[in-house]
Amino acid sequence: GAVVSQHPSWVICKSGTSVKIECRSLDFQATTMFWYRQFPKQSLMLMATSNEGSKATYEQGVEKDKFLINHASLTLSTLTVTSAHPEDSSFYICSARGGISYEQYFGPGTRLTVT
Amino acid sequence: AQSVTQLDSQVPVFEEAPVELRCNYSSSVSVYLFWYVQYPNQGLQLLLKYLSGSTLVKGINGFEAEFNKSQTSFHLRKPSVHISDTAEYFCAVSEWGETSGSRLTFGEGTQLTVNP
Repeated sequence: GAVVSQHPSWVICKSGTSVKIECRSLDFQATTMFWYRQFPKQSLMLMATSNEGSKATYEQGVEKDKFLINHASLTLSTLTVTSAHPEDSSFYICSARGGISYEQYFGPGTRLTVT
Repeated sequence: AQSVTQLDSQVPVFEEAPVELRCNYSSSVSVYLFWYVQYPNQGLQLLLKYLSGSTLVKGINGFEAEFNKSQTSFHLRKPSVHISDTAEYFCAVSEWGETSGSRLTFGEGTQLTVNP
């Protein structure tokens, strides 16, 4: 149980275009989802926290107009990188938490490369 | 605000040797503590967690960790490692509270490399 999927697993896009990444909880209802960014050889940095049906809470320094997060249902959250640039290339990982559970379950990640 | 320090960025060991990956944290309140493993180009897998109770926590793949409140540490150990344990290991902390467990702060990671 507690499986989280991400789609796509990798994506290459041209500079200036937008790309959407999906995060799904497959066997539980995710009241809260988290989006992380990980640069090579570095740790995970929390970008934003989203609760189902509410606006996402962004961490300091994360541009909310650039990284659009939608958590429209209890099993799906999306991250849209708008007007992507090469510096947005990174590994994006989502996690999900259900109800009062303390534990986050992580997706397999999405490798974004902007050319 | 909480913070996590993993004292070693890289730990090379030989197969079947014991290993300890060190983690220290700072927080003004009580915390939950976690160790995760990440294989290349994959997400994170939970190894073990400390919530309360016994300070010695056993996890998957033969790993264990001990919570030491006085030293604010949560070191990860395995008595005998395998080649397949080669991966990046992350220590993480979450503070208790209304949103307990809702916000994880990660350490910088420790690359464990097991050599034959």
